[in-house]
Formats: sequence, structure tokens, C-alpha cells
Amino acid sequence: NAGVTQTPKFQVLKTGQSMTLQCAQDMNHEYMSWYRQDPGMGLRLIHYSVGAGITDQGEVPNGYNVSRSTTEDFPLRLLSAAPSQTSVYFCASSYGRGGETQYFGPGTRLLVL
Amino acid sequence: SQELEQSPQSLIVQEGKNLTINCTSSKTLYGLYWYKQKYGEGLIFLMMLQKGGEEKSHEKITAKLDEKKQQSSLHITASQPSHAGIYLCGADDGGSQGNLIFGKGTKLSVKP
Repeated sequence: NAGVTQTPKFQVLKTGQSMTLQCAQDMNHEYMSWYRQDPGMGLRLIHYSVGAGITDQGEVPNGYNVSRSTTEDFPLRLLSAAPSQTSVYFCASSYGRGGETQYFGPGTRLLVL
Repeated sequence: SQELEQSPQSLIVQEGKNLTINCTSSKTLYGLYWYKQKYGEGLIFLMMLQKGGEEKSHEKITAKLDEKKQQSSLHITASQPSHAGIYLCGADDGGSQGNLIFGKGTKLSVKP
């Protein structure tokens, strides 16, 4: 198993550009989520999904969209990038919710100029 | 809302020394997770604790959850340079979706 994979590893954007961060898992996990990690702020939940076709907002959803058309993939879209979205983004997945270990991808470093 | 506070924020120890990292919750913990992160990499799952008084060990790392389920500690015995990194505690946020909240992390440096 590849586990949780994320692409790209690093991206530079200009303010106003859009892009999609890709996340995929091959463990047949139902639960997937996106976090952002900022210095002094820890990890904060952006969006999550409890199964294909079901998504919901986390703590910091503004400026981000998600969709879950398949169990394997959970892309995160930045509609109009802002410097405040400069961060490291992590995707995670788990078999279920509540009491299940979440497995994390290697992260995407995003710089918005 | 629930918050997790980790202490210390950073720690520098000499190789071979023992150390402890603490994670304190503002509410009862229903699931406490410890992760390790190396710079530029993702989070690696270490251990999960659910029951009050529970203790788990893996190699030289031991994690405990207190009886009241509001504090957890991570203890490393005879530290090695390979233990260096950022240690994060995470907890179920108490909602029905199984989302996690995280502490801000403890940065551990081990001097050879």
C-alpha cells in the first residue's frame, strides 16, 4: 500500500490564482480530511469527508472547496489564492470516525506571493 | 471548544537523557493520539490511548493517559538523535464525526 499520497510537494502561486491539491489513499478508508499547519497555530481542520459524496466544513474552511466523488480521492481546491493561505497542507484518512487512527500524507508546502 | 496545551514548547536534551512531554486538555479526553513529525515530512502515528490510566510503550517511548482522562504524557527513555522532531498530541473533538484537534507541538532536539 502507498498509504496517503499528496501532490504536489511544493507549489508557488500568485495572489488570485487557483489550484487543486491532490490527495489519494489506497486503504479503502471512509474518512478523509484536510488540515493546514502554521507556525504557532498547530494543525487546523479545513474540510473533511465521512464517505464518497459527503463533505463538511472544519474549523477554517473559508477560501477552500472540496469534493469526494470516489472513496480514494479527496482534492482540495483554492479558488483565489491569498497570502494568508501560505501554509503546509496535510491530508489524512482513517477507516472510520471516532477512535480510529488517522494516517497522514507527506504534506504540500504552498507559498502564495 | 476543547483545547490541547502541550508543554514544553521546545526541548533540548543530551543524548542518553530521559525526557517527558505533556499534553493537557480543557475537557475529558475520549481518544488521545501521539504523532511525531520530522521537518518537511508528514505525521507519523505513535500511539493511541483511550482508557483512563492506560499506558502504552513502543521501543523507548511510553505514553500514559491519566485516570481523569485530561492529561497525557509522553516519556522517552535514553534519548537518541533519531528521536528528534516535533511531537504532537491530538484528541477526538467530542463530536460525532471523529474529527481531531491538535496541540501546537513540542520540538525536541537531541544533542549527540
